[in-house]
Amino acid sequence: AQKITQTQPGMFVQEKEAVTLDCTYDTSDPSYGLFWYKQPSSGEMIFLIYQGSYDQQNATEGRYSLNFQKARKSANLVISASQLGDSAMYFCAMREGVGGSYIPTFGRGTSLIVHP
Amino acid sequence: NAGVTQTPKFQVLKTGQSMTLQCAQDMNHEYMSWYRQDPGMGLRLIHYSVGAGITDQGEVPNGYNVSRSTTEDFPLRLLSAAPSQTSVYFCASSYRPDRGRPDTQYFGPGTRLTVL
Repeated sequence: AQKITQTQPGMFVQEKEAVTLDCTYDTSDPSYGLFWYKQPSSGEMIFLIYQGSYDQQNATEGRYSLNFQKARKSANLVISASQLGDSAMYFCAMREGVGGSYIPTFGRGTSLIVHP
Repeated sequence: NAGVTQTPKFQVLKTGQSMTLQCAQDMNHEYMSWYRQDPGMGLRLIHYSVGAGITDQGEVPNGYNVSRSTTEDFPLRLLSAAPSQTSVYFCASSYRPDRGRPDTQYFGPGTRLTVL
């Protein structure tokens, strides 16, 4: 079974609008970390945001926020005020703690296209 | 700091040939890992290391070998290349996720490998 599920293969959004990219995860480990990465067409992997399982508040980094719903095991990425440069692949990843290798497992990604 | 470096950037092999993908980091990270990225599959873990002299298998280890003789270097060896190994390979590194230290993975620029 997949540990990280991204159900949206592709998303479209109008410039300046907000968009939510979905991510659900599966773990029985009480200590884990959740990451989002951006991969533009140039191919590099760019770290966006991190949420720890014990963090009480949702993580935010500039226009990026992580909507962390622990009971639902979801960690959705919200991009506010989309820009053309946000067009890219977005990957959700989870690092398990005590019961895992501490090496993140990735979802299959969501392709985001921002329209002018 | 150079961060995570990978060589070569591109490589074409014939079936049956062997080669080594190089990866180095200068951030004194304990953890290093190799992923492959195929269309629609996200990033899949090949092998990883939690410190010099310690390596372990990931999700898709067959056909690949690794070693970690120093903290800085983590080469990936293809023993006998097959067309199924055509992919983009990423090396990544991070701190051990101790309390108080971010364990964000930093990625190299990737190696695009084609096996004919």
